[in-house]
Amino acid sequence: NAGVTQTPKFRVLKTGQSMTLLCAQDMNHEYMYWYRQDPGMGLRLIHYSVGEGTTAKGEVPDGYNVSRLKKQNFLLGLESAAPSQTSVYFCASTKRLAGDETQYFGPGTRLLVL
Amino acid sequence: RKEVEQDPGPFNVPEGATVAFNCTYSNSASQSFFWYRQDCRKEPKLLMSVYSSGNEDGRFTAQLNRASQYISLLIRDSKLSDSATYLCVVNGMNRDDKIIFGKGTRLHILP
Repeated sequence: NAGVTQTPKFRVLKTGQSMTLLCAQDMNHEYMYWYRQDPGMGLRLIHYSVGEGTTAKGEVPDGYNVSRLKKQNFLLGLESAAPSQTSVYFCASTKRLAGDETQYFGPGTRLLVL
Repeated sequence: RKEVEQDPGPFNVPEGATVAFNCTYSNSASQSFFWYRQDCRKEPKLLMSVYSSGNEDGRFTAQLNRASQYISLLIRDSKLSDSATYLCVVNGMNRDDKIIFGKGTRLHILP
């Protein structure tokens, strides 16, 4: 059981480049989330998904797109990276059922945009 | 008022001491409450859920006060390994409601 995995672990981009972050979970969870974490800002929700084929905007969605084509995968895309998107990105998943609401996080992706 | 508020700290506490954190939330309809722990440069992990009746797990005790809309975490006999950031998490009433994280409280246990 790998839990939640994220690829890549670290990436350096130049301004204007694009990339996709992959999150995969093997726990059959319905709900998946993408967060970014910056010093002093805590975790901020970018986008989330309540099931395969569905996505919704979170607190800071601008500059990002997501897709949930398969239940186990949640992709986060940056179409044109900006230095303000330098951050640590965490993916999380959960069943979100009464009595079982634990969020399981991936190890994070550290992104530096120059 | 922010949805979930925590004292950012840092709390610098000698080993063996007792330390308490509070967290306030704004949405009275919130249903589920949790404390997560995050070590430096690591992902957050669930520490414990918070129940209305309060709950204890070893040296850790969590309490919920719905009337005043706050939750607390008490750590007794603190260890060096307790040094981390503690995140307060609040879930809404509905499954599709957003999960709200506090910004976290940093704890340093001093030898």
